[in-house]
Amino acid sequence: DIQMTQSPSSLSASVGDRVTITCLASQTIRNYLNWYHQKPGAAPKLLIYAASSLRRGVPSRFSGGGSGTVFTLTISSLQPEDFGTYYCQQSFTTSVTFGGGTKVDIK
Amino acid sequence: QVQLVQSGAEVKKPGSSVRVSCKASGGTISNFAISWVRQAPGQGLEWMGGIIPILGTAEYPYNFQGRVTITADESAATAYIDLSGLTSDDTAIYYCARTYYYNTDGYFRFDEMDVWGQGTTVIVSS
Repeated sequence: DIQMTQSPSSLSASVGDRVTITCLASQTIRNYLNWYHQKPGAAPKLLIYAASSLRRGVPSRFSGGGSGTVFTLTISSLQPEDFGTYYCQQSFTTSVTFGGGTKVDIK
Repeated sequence: QVQLVQSGAEVKKPGSSVRVSCKASGGTISNFAISWVRQAPGQGLEWMGGIIPILGTAEYPYNFQGRVTITADESAATAYIDLSGLTSDDTAIYYCARTYYYNTDGYFRFDEMDVWGQGTTVIVSS
């Protein structure tokens, strides 16, 4: 299985800060990379698909980049509602795998 | 807009089996795949497998093969996951998710998951 490693595992930032989360794949996955946001007690929500395509209705402060093995999720200006955990997910192989998650707290 | 509505919480004994259902409300499941993802307490997301209802094709990761069965009833717009040989490690929230899929090199791949069910808590305890 392809291993997905996220960093950092947690971060604390202030409202208005620029935040970047990195996801590394153990082998190339081209651009088959999706990002999700999960708040406590709720199901995950899709943010970004195909590495850089913003899902309809998701605020434009979210952006995704990268290809091959290195991917990023950037929040250009952190908002109070952005707290929670972010997960990357590869869909290059039949066996889907998720990263371990990055927990974002608001200072 | 389609919603996925899952069955209620379950409490099971070790060694038993559990079935969780996932019904599409306001739409069908025919044009998409359905994935099942679980989340143990305080842990991350784990894909348990998926099914393409229109093809009846299911795929499972290696660590769940033989213990998980995913099925779908297109006419009822409902998917199911059966998990056998329960242990305390299976205590988790189980989610279904509408999943895009694609075909490459003759193999189907499960892609982004854009609509999720509300989750079903399964507790395994003696």
